Amino acid sequence: TQLLEQSPQFLSIQEGENLTVYCNSSSVFSSLQWYRQEPGEGPVLLVTVVTGGEVKKLKRLTFQFGDARKDSSLHITAAQPGDTGLYLCAGDSSGSARQLTFGSGTQLTVLP
Amino acid sequence: EAGVAQSPRYKIIEKRQSVAFWCNPISGHATLYWYQQILGQGPKLLIQFQNNGVVDDSQLPKDRFSAERLKGVDSTLKIQPAKLEDSAVYLCASSPITGGSEAFFGQGTRLTVV
Repeated sequence: TQLLEQSPQFLSIQEGENLTVYCNSSSVFSSLQWYRQEPGEGPVLLVTVVTGGEVKKLKRLTFQFGDARKDSSLHITAAQPGDTGLYLCAGDSSGSARQLTFGSGTQLTVLP
Repeated sequence: EAGVAQSPRYKIIEKRQSVAFWCNPISGHATLYWYQQILGQGPKLLIQFQNNGVVDDSQLPKDRFSAERLKGVDSTLKIQPAKLEDSAVYLCASSPITGGSEAFFGQGTRLTVV
């Protein structure tokens, strides 16, 4: 089973601060997805990165896929209380039985 | 477009009892996943179907968990008998192809075993 480790596990910051969440693995993924989950709901996709070194921006969120396609990061600029939630990375394996493996998650709380 | 439907939303049972969860994926989605999510952790894959065939069930505790996807559409996940450590949210997700694309999740079923 491929493992994805996320850090930090918990993050509590003030509104307006910047933050970075990391997702690391020893395995290579064909693509990597970032999801956000709110209490009582299922995860919702934010972005998919496919190419090693790829950088994608979604408003105040910047996603980067490592050159070796083993790690990724999510950077949030000027965090807002609405950004509060559980952030999950998920790796799409490139084997014959492709599956989505989720990381351990980062619980972000943005205080007003 | 209707999303992934799951029922029930909540279930409380005593240990050693049995329970079943139901999932109706997005119409036309060939891949269906069942995940178990412990509070505050990432989802753990239990079983993955493509149409009505099992692609991966390596992490499914087969002595007590079973799942089926009849006719390649709806799916049920059963636990019999339940243990205290089965308390979790059970998430169903579907995807239009096997891997490589977005997984659409239902709201989940929160199971509490007492």
